[in-house]
Amino acid sequence: QSVLTQPPSVSGAPGQRVTISCTGSSSNIGAGYDVHWYQQLPGTAPKLLIYGNTDRPSGVPDRFSGSKSGTSASLAITGLQAEDEADYYCQSYDNRLSGWLFGGGTTLTVL
Amino acid sequence: QVHLVQSGAEVKKPGASVKVSCMPSGYSLSDYSMHWVRQVPGQKLEWMGWIHGGNGDTKYSRNFQGRVIITRDTSATITYMELSSLRSEDTALYYCARARGFSGYDYWGRGTLVTVSS
Repeated sequence: QSVLTQPPSVSGAPGQRVTISCTGSSSNIGAGYDVHWYQQLPGTAPKLLIYGNTDRPSGVPDRFSGSKSGTSASLAITGLQAEDEADYYCQSYDNRLSGWLFGGGTTLTVL
Repeated sequence: QVHLVQSGAEVKKPGASVKVSCMPSGYSLSDYSMHWVRQVPGQKLEWMGWIHGGNGDTKYSRNFQGRVIITRDTSATITYMELSSLRSEDTALYYCARARGFSGYDYWGRGTLVTVSS
């Protein structure tokens, strides 16, 4: 099945580190397609956070980092801040669907 | 500076069609493709399709095959997304977003709310 699976929610205290996983399959992440991550604050359009698995657009703090291995990818956020509370989505291309996929999204709560 | 300006909110009846526009500025359209993504309130992002910035080729998600058409005007200054045979489940925010190749979407429009209600 061509889906990208994320945990529905994660949480952490200010200053802590959290990770969000994105599990795909051999037709998307496992096929070598890049993974991108987006942050969506309430009531706003998504914002590109990580592209090409590990790269940050200019202006994105280095507290955000991405990694990819096999059929999965992860987003790590260190030094958690209240402003990081948002929904996070992974994205990749799927060659079986010949189209783009988004993960189901993960809501980050800063305790 | 790059901007993607989308048309205003729409209210449509079931069975009707809606056409949402996205006017980019601040960059060369031929260097980027334009994608359309929708988000039902409280739900995940869903890719709908894209139009190639150079040759105008299109590709659509199977979930919308036959119901969605993405076009651009002859001067390639405005991109349109038309969704037909609307049903209540199509009530959502519709975003345009630009991408270069398989890179992520670095700029997004603010979204256009389409409400389908009888």
